[in-house]
Amino acid sequence: RKEVEQDPGPFNVPEGATVAFNCTYSNSASQSFFWYRQDCRKEPKLLMSVYSSGNEDGRFTAQLNRASQYISLLIRDSKLSDSATYLCVVNKAWGGATNKLIFGTGTLLAVQP
Amino acid sequence: NAGVTQTPKFQVLKTGQSMTLQCAQDMNHEYMSWYRQDPGMGLRLIHYSVGAGITDQGEVPNGYNVSRSTTEDFPLRLLSAAPSQTSVYFCASSGGASYNEQFFGPGTRLTVL
Repeated sequence: RKEVEQDPGPFNVPEGATVAFNCTYSNSASQSFFWYRQDCRKEPKLLMSVYSSGNEDGRFTAQLNRASQYISLLIRDSKLSDSATYLCVVNKAWGGATNKLIFGTGTLLAVQP
Repeated sequence: NAGVTQTPKFQVLKTGQSMTLQCAQDMNHEYMSWYRQDPGMGLRLIHYSVGAGITDQGEVPNGYNVSRSTTEDFPLRLLSAAPSQTSVYFCASSGGASYNEQFFGPGTRLTVL
């Protein structure tokens, strides 16, 4: 079983739709959680961190459920520019120890006009 | 700031050849890492460094060497290229106030024939 699992998609949605991505992680000791965005043939970039209390950044909302070991990302009012692969990332340790970062394989979102 | 830079962008090697992928960052980050990204596998950590003169192995280190003589540079050496090393390679750095965020370079697409 992969340490971080995501539905690979693709999710094909019309502009203006609301879409949700889910991610599960297997290590209950995981400490911090992130969503990264990766455009086609580009490098990943941090979209947002995920906190237990949930956090929102404009049209994007991230939620963490530690009991179920589950992370979600909700995108409201989808734009064509949201088309990308969304990577779920889990850090098994506090701080910047990069050897503890686990990347999911990503969920592909295609927003249609 | 240029951020994280990588050269070359593309490279084709023959089996058995050696080469060095270059990575540099100008953000004075202490952490630097090399990842490879393959379809269906997610990003996997090859080697990482927590500061100048300190390196360690990640998840998939075989066939690769690294060194960190300065804070800025973190080259990745392929000792004897194999077709299994065909991949996209990303260098990343983190540290300072943004220690939780990985800043990625644009990537190197490597094909080994």
